[in-house]
Amino acid sequence: GDSVTQMEGPVTLSEEAFLTINCTYTATGYPSLFWYVQYPGEGLQLLLKATKADDKGSNKGFEATYRKETTSFHLEKGSVQVSDSAVYFCALGLYSSASKIIFGSGTRLSIRP
Amino acid sequence: DGGITQSPKYLFRKEGQNVTLSCEQNLNHDAMYWYRQDPGQGLRLIYYSQIVNDFQKGDIAEGYSVSREKKESFPLTVTSAQKNPTAFYLCASTHGTGELFFGEGSRLTVL
Repeated sequence: GDSVTQMEGPVTLSEEAFLTINCTYTATGYPSLFWYVQYPGEGLQLLLKATKADDKGSNKGFEATYRKETTSFHLEKGSVQVSDSAVYFCALGLYSSASKIIFGSGTRLSIRP
Repeated sequence: DGGITQSPKYLFRKEGQNVTLSCEQNLNHDAMYWYRQDPGQGLRLIYYSQIVNDFQKGDIAEGYSVSREKKESFPLTVTSAQKNPTAFYLCASTHGTGELFFGEGSRLTVL
């Protein structure tokens, strides 16, 4: 069935380090892909998205490229800040029938000053 | 203000009781969703609905039921058949692009 697999956390990095959070998916058809972020004490919010193969989503210095050949959508940031500490969720949306949207298990990121 | 309202924020249930969580949106979104969030397991899809009077089971629908009689409302009933109902429940909606807007959640505890 359709699924999203994320690298397990927690991930701890020093400020200004390079970040990669891996995400791979299994889906029938051509899904849209998303990264959501949940900051401490806040609700989930969309970080970035890509709707077709080779699209790159970007926001707040984060990027992710929709790779159909490897069924991946890895999240990257060149230089992380303490304020990036949060839980990051990869998700996919299937619009073939009734707009099913499913999430990965989430990756907790902590950034040390 | 436009948004999604979930109630109650906290709910306690005795074993064997059904409880209903409310979700109302005034964003004029067609699609609505219910997710369950457990520590370390991310968000798991319970039910979703694209239009009024129609809904589909998600990955963990057993022990839950929903209705969609109005566009703005999508209540979730946690039945006594749900074996492990203690969790944080999130309602969301979207206008079709896949960007979900979430409510603040309801935390259910079974005593």
